[in-house]
Amino acid sequence: AQKITQTQPGMFVQEKEAVTLDCTYDTSDPSYGLFWYKQPSSGEMIFLIYQGSYDQQNATEGRYSLNFQKARKSANLVISASQLGDSAMYFCAMTLNEKLTFGTGTRLTIIP
Amino acid sequence: EAGVAQSPRYKIIEKRQSVAFWCNPISGHATLYWYQQILGQGPKLLIQFQNNGVVDDSQLPKDRFSAERLKGVDSTLKIQPAKLEDSAVYLCASSLHGAVNSPLHFGNGTRLTVT
Repeated sequence: AQKITQTQPGMFVQEKEAVTLDCTYDTSDPSYGLFWYKQPSSGEMIFLIYQGSYDQQNATEGRYSLNFQKARKSANLVISASQLGDSAMYFCAMTLNEKLTFGTGTRLTIIP
Repeated sequence: EAGVAQSPRYKIIEKRQSVAFWCNPISGHATLYWYQQILGQGPKLLIQFQNNGVVDDSQLPKDRFSAERLKGVDSTLKIQPAKLEDSAVYLCASSLHGAVNSPLHFGNGTRLTVT
């Protein structure tokens, strides 16, 4: 069975600093996808970034990048130059056989 | 492009009552998902449709939950009878090609409180 683990329940980061949110996964299937979603207090789930298991390069989207280490089965999200609006819950998720499974999330708080 | 529409936004019912949620996915999206998100947890997949057929309903409590997607467009999720532990946010999502490499687009959710 596939499993997604986020070990940081909460993080506090100073504004303008970079932050890394950890995510590890467990699957024996060679074909899978990894996603990060942001959930502000308003509740909507916002897609941030995607990494395919066969992608050779780490995915980047603006201030977001995904540090994909396949051998370690980790897919950490890096947010550069954090902003107050980055305060939210962040979920790592994995797709396998078209089923998307979420981790438990990390609550990120940006301090002014 | 209009997003995923869900209604109602909030619902409060007593245990043993029934409730229904509605979802209209993004136009052209073949795959539709219902997720349950209990406070403090990540979303859990309840059911996944491909057009109007069920792809995965292994985590749907079928004794009380039902869902349908008539005509392969909008969908309803029903709970009958509701239990206290059903209090959660119910999220609907859709994707163009399925979840392998196509991001899911989520609605704003329905927050259900069972008293």
